[in-house]
Amino acid sequence: ILNVEQSPQSLHVQEGDSTNFTCSFPSSNFYALHWYRWETAKSPEALFVMTLNGDEKKKGRISATLNTKEGYSYLYIKGSQPEDSATYLCAPYTGTASKLTFGTGTRLQVTL
Amino acid sequence: SAVISQKPSRDICQRGTSLTIQCQVDSQVTMMFWYRQQPGQSLTLIATANQGSEATYESGFVIDKFPISRPNLTFSTLTVSNMSPEDSSIYLCSVEEAGQGTEAFFGQGTRLTVV
Repeated sequence: ILNVEQSPQSLHVQEGDSTNFTCSFPSSNFYALHWYRWETAKSPEALFVMTLNGDEKKKGRISATLNTKEGYSYLYIKGSQPEDSATYLCAPYTGTASKLTFGTGTRLQVTL
Repeated sequence: SAVISQKPSRDICQRGTSLTIQCQVDSQVTMMFWYRQQPGQSLTLIATANQGSEATYESGFVIDKFPISRPNLTFSTLTVSNMSPEDSSIYLCSVEEAGQGTEAFFGQGTRLTVV
């Protein structure tokens, strides 16, 4: 079983604050790292799929970096807004039987 | 992309009964996945459903408890059998259109409470 750790477990920030989360995963047999945002009562939605060491991706105010050698990824949110409130999940993909292994997620709450 | 319709969205069930969750995809996909998220836990893969073959179950999950059907390339069902309160979870189906480089798409989830 792949050990995927996300920290912090939960986070409460004010509107306008910038924040970041960490995802740690085994660096062996690495193929890709997925980030998803899961809002309450909605489907998890993909943010990024990252494959290369040193990769950095951005979507609006959200960005992510990847270090495959040491097995971690950071997700950054700049200028948090209430609509960013969600659980953020990371999932490394090792290519074994084509399946993702999810971390427990970081629950973000952004208040006015 | 793929659009997945999952139902029911939520249900409250009596212990000892069974519930069947359905997922319909708007395109043909080879593999469909069923996940469970128990309170405070990570999203955990139950099984992989391939059309035309038996589902492949992850460690800790068995066919008698979670029978899966995959009659065609756009539809699958997961049944939670002989339910107990420990089965109270969010159940999600998902698809991946290709291999490891592409994102997964998810249904809206089924929030199950067993009383």
